[in-house]
Amino acid sequence: NAGVTQTPKFQVLKTGQSMTLQCAQDMNHNSMYWYRQDPGMGLRLIYYSASEGTTDKGEVPNGYNVSRLNKREFSLRLESAAPSQTSVYFCASREGGFQPQHFGDGTRLSIL
Amino acid sequence: TQLLEQSPQFLSIQEGENLTVYCNSSSVFSSLQWYRQEPGEGPVLLVTVVTGGEVKKLKRLTFQFGDARKDSSLHITAAQPGDTGLYLCAGRYTGNQFYFGTGTSLTVIP
Repeated sequence: NAGVTQTPKFQVLKTGQSMTLQCAQDMNHNSMYWYRQDPGMGLRLIYYSASEGTTDKGEVPNGYNVSRLNKREFSLRLESAAPSQTSVYFCASREGGFQPQHFGDGTRLSIL
Repeated sequence: TQLLEQSPQFLSIQEGENLTVYCNSSSVFSSLQWYRQEPGEGPVLLVTVVTGGEVKKLKRLTFQFGDARKDSSLHITAAQPGDTGLYLCAGRYTGNQFYFGTGTSLTVIP
């Protein structure tokens, strides 16, 4: 059972380049999330999708866009990467109610 | 603005010692979750607490949700090297958005 799969695992970009981070879940969950994790900051929510066809901004949405392609897939796009976006990005999914989030193993992104 | 403050940020203890990690907020949460994260991996759920005053035990780990549902604690008895990791609390008001604490990095020395 794969759970939540993120690709790629590592990426190095130059300032100004664009990139899409992919996330797919095989648990038939309704909600999906994108977080970034920086030292001493915990996880901060970038965008989330409560259900297929809807997306909402989280705490730190600036510089990012998302697409809920279908129930399984939720992608995160950086249109013009900046060094401040160097971080570890995590995708998560959950069923709803009091059910927990299930996380992928992260994408480590460095922007030079 | 960090809605959930965790303390301490770092903790290094000897095997066999006890420890408590705190998660505090000025906001009332409908539920609160504790996660553990190891290097190179995503967080993994330990427990969800929902009711004010609720206490849950998971082997040597005891979780408590404050009566007012604004704070929580994680107590580990007789810590072992396998407990080493980053411990995160996450609160939810209503709806689908979660707010994570700043994290507590625990190192248990054999």
